Amino acid sequence: AQKVTQAQTEISVVEKEDVTLDCVYETRDTTYYLFWYKQPPSGELVFLIRRNSFDEQNEISGRYSWNFQKSTSSFNFTITASQVVDSAVYFCALSVYGNNRLAFGKGNQVVVIP
Amino acid sequence: DTGVSQDPRHKITKRGQNVTFRCDPISEHNRLYWYRQTLGQGPEFLTYFQNEAQLEKSRLLSDRFSAERPKGSFSTLEIQRTEQGDSAMYLCASSFTSRIPNEQFFGPGTRLTVL
Repeated sequence: AQKVTQAQTEISVVEKEDVTLDCVYETRDTTYYLFWYKQPPSGELVFLIRRNSFDEQNEISGRYSWNFQKSTSSFNFTITASQVVDSAVYFCALSVYGNNRLAFGKGNQVVVIP
Repeated sequence: DTGVSQDPRHKITKRGQNVTFRCDPISEHNRLYWYRQTLGQGPEFLTYFQNEAQLEKSRLLSDRFSAERPKGSFSTLEIQRTEQGDSAMYLCASSFTSRIPNEQFFGPGTRLTVL
């Protein structure tokens, strides 16, 4: 079974500060995929990034970056120079090869204060 | 609009009534998923279809729940004899078929309130 833990519930930052969201996952599969989704107040989940278990290279995409460490089963996500529009709930999710179901964490509520 | 659409957006019903929700996926997508999200929680997988075939059902999907995708296009999710515990947001998503999990595109959801 797959499990995703997002320990932080609500995080408040002042605009332009960086915010890092922690995600810890559990799976017995050796091939798996990690995702981050954003759920703004409108409610519609929006895909942000996907990473596979064979690629631990950390990347930056615009104001988003992620830190994937298999040794600690963590897939942390950072928003740089936060903006008010970043206020949303962010979900980390896990899926394994051959099975498309997503296992989501409980989410992190991010509040960006202007 | 070419995204995933769901109807209705909101549904209020009395306990014991039956309700049906509809999901229209992105037209090129073979796979369609249903999730349920309660307040303060992440979405939980219910079931998914590849074309018209229902390939997997979660243990969360009790006998009162049934989902169909008759022509491999839109899908319906029916809940019979609703209970207050069924109150949640029901999310539909679609994706291309692949052994590698692709990104799933989500609809706006149907919020169900059972009184």
